[in-house]
Amino acid sequence: AQSVTQLDSQVPVFEEAPVELRCNYSSSVSVYLFWYVQYPNQGLQLLLKYLSGSTLVKGINGFEAEFNKSQTSFHLRKPSVHISDTAEYFCAVSRPQGAQKLVFGQGTRLTINP
Amino acid sequence: GAVVSQHPSWVICKSGTSVKIECRSLDFQATTMFWYRQFPKQSLMLMATSNEGSKATYEQGVEKDKFLINHASLTLSTLTVTSAHPEDSSFYICSASNSGIDEQYFGPGTRLTVT
Repeated sequence: AQSVTQLDSQVPVFEEAPVELRCNYSSSVSVYLFWYVQYPNQGLQLLLKYLSGSTLVKGINGFEAEFNKSQTSFHLRKPSVHISDTAEYFCAVSRPQGAQKLVFGQGTRLTINP
Repeated sequence: GAVVSQHPSWVICKSGTSVKIECRSLDFQATTMFWYRQFPKQSLMLMATSNEGSKATYEQGVEKDKFLINHASLTLSTLTVTSAHPEDSSFYICSASNSGIDEQYFGPGTRLTVT
């Protein structure tokens, strides 16, 4: 079974500052890793995913994440945040096949202050 | 990415009535659809996995007789909340995928309020 831990429930950051949202996972098998963003009363939008290959993954809206197998981590980063990045962010894992169920972390509320 | 729609986007019903939520994949064939529920300020919890043409697989603790899932075609899955009660009020989100896709595409969600 897989599990995901997002270490910070809330992260306040000033506009144009860098941010890192932390995610650790546990699994006895290899996994696919995902970061999603959720705006209020909306569904989830995929930011980026790691399936295999290069451990540094670049996504939409200037986000990137690095897969670290030894530390079982998949932290999300952005060098300069914008007010519009204020949202809930979820890290998720699945087994490394298509159409597999996702296990989500608890979510991190990112708040950008002007 | 592919588009998944949900209908209705919000619904209010009285306690004891049933509510049906539709999830449609608009531009690809979804052999597998997932149903999640999300309580305020919480994460998504998987309720069930449905494969087209077969019975849904429910997660532990989810009442299959209360949350009826039908996946009769490659583009449509429905979730029916039977005899709804106020504790069923939640945000229900579906996602769609198939074995050839490495991710799930999420619908916009349905806000259910039971009075």
